[in-house]
Amino acid sequence: KAGVTQTPRYLIKTRGQQVTLSCSPISGHRSVSWYQQTPGQGLQFLFEYFSETQRNKGNFPGRFSGRQFSNSRSEMNVSTLELGDSALYLCASSLIGGEADTQYFGPGTRLTVL
Amino acid sequence: AQSVSQHNHHVILSEAASLELGCNYSYGGTVNLFWYVQYPGQHLQLLLKYFSGDPLVKGIKGFEAEFIKSKFSFNLRKPSVQWSDTAEYFCAVSNSGGYQKVTFGIGTKLQVIP
Repeated sequence: KAGVTQTPRYLIKTRGQQVTLSCSPISGHRSVSWYQQTPGQGLQFLFEYFSETQRNKGNFPGRFSGRQFSNSRSEMNVSTLELGDSALYLCASSLIGGEADTQYFGPGTRLTVL
Repeated sequence: AQSVSQHNHHVILSEAASLELGCNYSYGGTVNLFWYVQYPGQHLQLLLKYFSGDPLVKGIKGFEAEFIKSKFSFNLRKPSVQWSDTAEYFCAVSNSGGYQKVTFGIGTKLQVIP
């Protein structure tokens, strides 16, 4: 089975721009979670989607949004980029997002905001 | 809100030394606990997890962790480390009975010297 894939792997943007990141989960997985990873904060939960619905949300401003498609692929969008948004954005998929499910992580998208 | 503390941010050990990485969490309810590992150049992957039952959990590659409820701790141990254990280790917690909203610690970088 193919693992979780994320595109693009690297992005460079300037302040004020917006960006869209994509995540394709493992085949058959219906839950997708997004995390922001920075050296100072570690991994911080952004949101989780299941069956095209956002089920959980972390403490991020409304500039961070996401969606999930009927094939379980997910996108996240960051509008009006700030320097502090520079981070590695990780996507993780699991079967149904239940507490017993194992999350499988993708390689991440490295976003640099100049 | 739940939080996770990893006390050692950078650990250096010689091969064959014993390892113990500390992890404490703050949450009043029932929790699920995880240790994830990220080897250089690889994706984040699950090392072991605790949901209920025996508080001593065994994971892959000879790792184990013990849940001590009274101390809100879930320390990771390995009796004898190898150079291939060089990686970053993350402790994480989620609420029991809910969907996946996982809170991660900041991570501990382990360097094993041959």
